[in-house]
Amino acid sequence: DGGITQSPKYLFRKEGQNVTLSCEQNLNHDAMYWYRQDPGQGLRLIYYSQIVNDFQKGDIAEGYSVSREKKESFPLTVTSAQKNPTAFYLCASRQVSQPQHFGDGTRLSIL
Amino acid sequence: RKEVEQDPGPFNVPEGATVAFNCTYSNSASQSFFWYRQDCRKEPKLLMSVYSSGNEDGRFTAQLNRASQYISLLIRDSKLSDSATYLCVVNPDSSYKLIFGSGTRLLVRP
Repeated sequence: DGGITQSPKYLFRKEGQNVTLSCEQNLNHDAMYWYRQDPGQGLRLIYYSQIVNDFQKGDIAEGYSVSREKKESFPLTVTSAQKNPTAFYLCASRQVSQPQHFGDGTRLSIL
Repeated sequence: RKEVEQDPGPFNVPEGATVAFNCTYSNSASQSFFWYRQDCRKEPKLLMSVYSSGNEDGRFTAQLNRASQYISLLIRDSKLSDSATYLCVVNPDSSYKLIFGSGTRLLVRP
């Protein structure tokens, strides 16, 4: 099936630890995105990438890093600098002028 | 002013009612518009794209008003399963960046 796969579904982070969230798509989409959603809130853009080896900061990039070495993959690292990482993280992809498709998300919590 | 604004609701309606949501956007050059539905603790799912001429999909109708810079979503004959948060999404220019509204919550009661 074509789609976006996020893993893991649930993730726990210890103090001072970096963790990486995986996002893979087989839709052949050029652009990929990472969003954060806190309970009862809207989506906030962390990073997005329009093409391989290029990415742009979104509205809340501090404490996060990304890479785009392959078209299909856009992993997100939540670094120890992100002091409040507990949230629902959503990955998405799209082609220009088309709607976004979302993965089913990763829930990150602090131990 | 936010780039995309929605009434957060909740809109509490009985089954069978007709309900409408509006979403205003600030950039008059915005190119593409979409409505998404998000269930609690789930990812957003595309409900429909919004075309200049308006479009309808079963009980759902979306309209675009460029002069007043808003899009609307009309739901007829509401079902219990329509209870969700409805997100308005706008592509403000020809780039890949999309702007999400904070969502309008709909509760359909028996």
